[in-house]
Amino acid sequence: GENVEQHPSTLSVQEGDSAVIKCTYSDSASNYFPWYKQELGKRPQLIIDIRSNVGEKKDQRIAVTLNKTAKHFSLHITETQPEDSAVYFCAATQEGTGANNLFFGTGTRLTVIP
Amino acid sequence: KAGVTQTPRYLIKTRGQQVTLSCSPISGHRSVSWYQQTPGQGLQFLFEYFSETQRNKGNFPGRFSGRQFSNSRSEMNVSTLELGDSALYLCASSFSGTRSNEQFFGPGTRLTVL
Repeated sequence: GENVEQHPSTLSVQEGDSAVIKCTYSDSASNYFPWYKQELGKRPQLIIDIRSNVGEKKDQRIAVTLNKTAKHFSLHITETQPEDSAVYFCAATQEGTGANNLFFGTGTRLTVIP
Repeated sequence: KAGVTQTPRYLIKTRGQQVTLSCSPISGHRSVSWYQQTPGQGLQFLFEYFSETQRNKGNFPGRFSGRQFSNSRSEMNVSTLELGDSALYLCASSFSGTRSNEQFFGPGTRLTVL
């Protein structure tokens, strides 16, 4: 099955700086890569996703890049704010196969220092 | 649209007992997936139900089971509880159409086994 590795496990940045979280996956058939943000005591929420037919996707201060050849994808947060502090999870799966399970990375705890 | 709901939110049980958790998906969503979240193991896939059928299953023992009703509501059952079953149990619903894997999580049920 798919194996997703995520680094770093913790990340502290100053407010206004950028944060980068990296994930690798093992199954070349994976074609859908969502990122979830989980604030303390709350549910994971989808913040951005990317499919294998594109290399980059942006949504305001958040961007995700995908390198299919190297089997890695990254989350970039620019101009970080204290409310960005949370645990971020990457995930990978095959879309359109009837298998609807996400394989998650182990999470990155991001702390934005005011 | 109302989001994914889960009941109960908190449960305390003792070893050997069994427990049933409930998940109501977003209206119109036909797929419900269940995940176990623990500090040590992160988010792990339990199983997925689609149109009342288990479509996919993770690597959990047979003590973990589930079902889905005709209105897409899903239940998860854990029998003969063990201390290691203490976790946050999350369900996620998705439409399961062409872009099948956009999953939306419920708030979770926090199970404590004493």
